[in-house]
Amino acid sequence: GESVGLHLPTLSVQEGDNSIINCAYSNSASDYFIWYKQESGKGPQFIIDIRSNMDKRQGQRVTVLLNKTVKHLSLQIAATQPGDSAVYFCAESWDNDMRFGAGTRLTVKP
Amino acid sequence: DAGVTQSPTHLIKTRGQQVTLRCSPISGHKSVSWYQQVLGQGPQFIFQYYEKEERGRGNFPDRFSARQFPNYSSELNVNALLLGDSALYLCASSPSSLIGGTEAFFGQGTRLTVV
Repeated sequence: GESVGLHLPTLSVQEGDNSIINCAYSNSASDYFIWYKQESGKGPQFIIDIRSNMDKRQGQRVTVLLNKTVKHLSLQIAATQPGDSAVYFCAESWDNDMRFGAGTRLTVKP
Repeated sequence: DAGVTQSPTHLIKTRGQQVTLRCSPISGHKSVSWYQQVLGQGPQFIFQYYEKEERGRGNFPDRFSARQFPNYSSELNVNALLLGDSALYLCASSPSSLIGGTEAFFGQGTRLTVV
């Protein structure tokens, strides 16, 4: 069946480096994509979103890229900080339904 | 202003029992969505309610049901509990009918353990 997935379950980066977290989706009907951050013991926190009519969107230190040709989504975090350590989920949404990927655990080394 | 509040925070139930989880949305938010997050996995969408009507439903059995009250709070009910129902149950509220997005805020969840 169609699903949202992630290429890497874990990612470790040095403080100050840039981080790239990838996500693959397979539902061509998805028209809205969201990245969430989840810290231990907390609910997911919205980071950034993008609609299917865009291919790039920038926020504060974060950028989301959408490649509809290969059904790929990525989250770039600039100058990664220790506070960025968490599990990151991508999610796709269509027709009042939403699916999350399994998540990537980002660890930032000081 | 309080965020999304869920109760109880932790719960232990026996197989076959029934459970009710509660969610109070942020004041002014009319939409509540429920998610199940099994340990080590991403959340799975269960239901969305907007203005007291069901607007979306994920792929969950009929043992799962929900409702939304006039004050926009919501309850999630699970009947005939199975061991596999053990998970963190998350509630998210939003002012609009859009699932997720910038206006959706999650609670800290209810940790359900079925033994």
